[in-house]
Amino acid sequence: QQPVQSPQAVILREGEDAVINCSSSKALYSVHWYRQKHGEAPVFLMILLKGGEQKGHDKISASFNEKKQQSSLYLTASQLSYSGTYFCGARNQGGKLIFGQGTELSVKP
Amino acid sequence: GAVVSQHPSWVICKSGTSVKIECRSLDFQATTMFWYRQFPKQSLMLMATSNEGSKATYEQGVEKDKFLINHASLTLSTLTVTSAHPEDSSFYICSADRTGVETQYFGPGTRLLVL
Repeated sequence: QQPVQSPQAVILREGEDAVINCSSSKALYSVHWYRQKHGEAPVFLMILLKGGEQKGHDKISASFNEKKQQSSLYLTASQLSYSGTYFCGARNQGGKLIFGQGTELSVKP
Repeated sequence: GAVVSQHPSWVICKSGTSVKIECRSLDFQATTMFWYRQFPKQSLMLMATSNEGSKATYEQGVEKDKFLINHASLTLSTLTVTSAHPEDSSFYICSADRTGVETQYFGPGTRLLVL
């Protein structure tokens, strides 16, 4: 089953923060986060493995709650370049990567 | 490292013709390759999983006779859209698995337009 992302869309002003959530009805081994800009292939942001870890680089971080089968992507002090569609991907170990429906993020000046 | 290429990057063809898309892992051997399709403003939908030397596994609703997948080597998988129709117009993206690594590596995608 496809993981469920929320919200479906969000509009921010530069410098504001945002959280994108991803939940799965199935047990997960890993959660993958991607950002896609219009007309381009998705770009890998980060992967979180089961164990409840949190990761981040620069002003983008993510958490993974294995028990709740949920992951959240945190964008702080958003920049114009953060605009795009964010996808989470849910995967069993070595298995298929199934993507959520996407969250469209628009950052305005 | 871990670069995946696709060729061609875009293709326009007439209805009824067949189109072949190549996916290559350039600097690693891919244990498994995956093919996705993405329609405008939609998510990436997994079409099939392929392993070198064996038949591809197709997702429910994907016609195996229409979307032929050949995984000839550990670095090359091809997707052939047979007798393409306008509704097959889409963005096709491949990805590859690398031994011991959970991350999937995505190609840049191929945009197909069937007239």
